[in-house]
Amino acid sequence: SQTIHQWPATLVQPVGSPLSLECTVEGTSNPNLYWYRQAAGRGLQLLFYSVGIGQISSEVPQNLSASRPQDRQFILSSKKLLLSDSGFYLCALGREELGELFFGEGSRLTVL
Amino acid sequence: QKEVEQDPGPLSVPEGAIVSLNCTYSNSAFQYFMWYRQYSRKGPELLMYTYSSGNKEDGRFTAQVDKSSKYISLFIRDSQPSDSATYLCAMTLYAGGTSYGKLTFGQGTILTVHP
Repeated sequence: SQTIHQWPATLVQPVGSPLSLECTVEGTSNPNLYWYRQAAGRGLQLLFYSVGIGQISSEVPQNLSASRPQDRQFILSSKKLLLSDSGFYLCALGREELGELFFGEGSRLTVL
Repeated sequence: QKEVEQDPGPLSVPEGAIVSLNCTYSNSAFQYFMWYRQYSRKGPELLMYTYSSGNKEDGRFTAQVDKSSKYISLFIRDSQPSDSATYLCAMTLYAGGTSYGKLTFGQGTILTVHP
């Protein structure tokens, strides 16, 4: 079965500090991977998606970047965090055969 | 105007009640509609999906899509305390490839079912 691992689960960072959130998937190869952010009181917003190693598409201009160094690894980064970067970051795997987006457990980021 | 509007609630109902959750959208090109359930501090999980207009039933859950009105609904019959969660509607333009992952979500409705 397919699983998604995200870490860290919780993170508190000062404004201006760097960020690295990691997502790894198991049980599949060459997956389509997605990063979503859920801000307080708001729906999920697609940030980045990747269809393969080194292939990143950005959906919204922002302070964040993404990388896919390995087939089953997807990383979300920032060089300098802003207060507005606080939120719940969700990595997701596209299960196209099921027409489903399968989410990980998320990483909760608080920027102070 | 947001592409997808969903009343955030919160909605509180007694056990056994019928729950109606709704979303409206502005982009008539959306063709594939989904409902996700999200428990507190967890990632969302797919509950139901429908293509285009029509109804779909799965146990206690019924999803309806009315493309002419740009309106989708999720009905929960005989609601249980375990149904307490945030319900998110989502939709996408196409059914295929990365479109399954490039979803536009509503804000989510917080539902509490009390015993």
